Formats: sequence, structure tokens, C-alpha cells
Amino acid sequence: DARVTQTPRHKVTEMGQEVTMRCQPILGHNTVFWYRQTMMQGLELLAYFRNRAPLDDSGMPKDRFSAEMPDATLATLKIQPSEPRDSAVYFCASGLLEAETQYFGPGTRLLVL
Amino acid sequence: GQNIDQPTEMTATEGAIVQINCTYQTSGFNGLFWYQQHAGEAPTFLSYNVLDGLEEKGRFSSFLSRSKGYSYLLLKELQMKDSASYLCAVRDAGGFKTIFGAGTRLFVKA
Repeated sequence: DARVTQTPRHKVTEMGQEVTMRCQPILGHNTVFWYRQTMMQGLELLAYFRNRAPLDDSGMPKDRFSAEMPDATLATLKIQPSEPRDSAVYFCASGLLEAETQYFGPGTRLLVL
Repeated sequence: GQNIDQPTEMTATEGAIVQINCTYQTSGFNGLFWYQQHAGEAPTFLSYNVLDGLEEKGRFSSFLSRSKGYSYLLLKELQMKDSASYLCAVRDAGGFKTIFGAGTRLFVKA
């Protein structure tokens, strides 16, 4: 049963600390997406990759957020320095270029104090 | 600009039928999705429409009118487990960028 995995599932940190979230897409999927979900803003696209190349990161605050795919089995989202307004659930999703749907991971619940 | 509108909340009775509407205004269009999201969980795929018309999948059906920028999700024979948020999402014409609506929280009561 292929699934997208994300670590950590929960993270509590203090303002100013670096946060790294990791995602393992479904094996063989060639598109990876990072989303952020809050009650106020809903589900927002932060960045997405196709065949490991970043295609669009316009939804991401550039000064503090960075997203990378060092290899086909790992995508990372970093926040440095973190701020309380970054508190949200961060979802990673993967899919196939020619297919219709994205498969979401369980999310990382981030709380920045 | 990109704009997707759907009702914030709906309530329906177990066994009934409910229709959740979604209107969209986007700069490009390459398909409309419906996702279901239970509280505290990740969104899961329900349906995909790229051509006008009705797509039926068991108790769930989704309709699309591209000329009107309108879609609906129809849930039949409602069950308590259908209580969840339903997210309408539009994929842009250029690639795989998908914009999500705020979601409709559906409460199914006995």
C-alpha cells in the first residue's frame, strides 16, 4: 500500500528556531507539492516540483522558507527563522505527471511559540 | 486572479442527498477536483472533471460546467461518516498548480 510519508508528524518549537520537514513521495511519482493549511487561509500551495526540479515556489515566503528535493525519494521544506504565524499543518503530496490526482501525506503539525 | 467559492457549512440528514456547489474564476483551467478531508486528516481524492457533464462514482457524483465556472458534488444516501470538509480545487492550464477553495464543512445528523 503505497503512501506519502512525512516526518515529523508534530513539531513544537520556539520562535527563531529552524524547522525542517521531510517528505517521502510515493515511489515512481514525479511531481511533489508542499501545502500549508490553516483555519484562516485554508489549503495554500507553497511550492511544487516536477522530476525534482522546482517549478513554482511563488506561494512561499522567500526570505525564510526553502524547499528542495535532494533526490527522488526525499523532499524537504525548511523554515529559518520560524515565526508564530508559521504555525499550521504542512502537507506534502505527490502524483504522476500524466495522472489526475495528488496523494497527500498525513501532514506535519507545526506550532511555533 | 484566482477565486474559488463554496459554502462554508452545510447540514444534512442521514440517508438524504446533499449538493455542494463550487464556483470558480481562474486565469486558466485544466480540470476541477473534489477532495474529502476528515478533521485532523489529510485530503483524499474524490473526483476529477475536465469536460462538461456529470461523473458518477458510487454514492458520489460531480458535475462541471466550464462555461459557467461551476461545479457541484452530489452525495447520495448520506452516512454519518460523510461528515467532513469537502474541498473544491482547480488546476491551472499551464501545469500542475492546483488552487483549493476554503472547503465546505458538511455535518450529517441522525
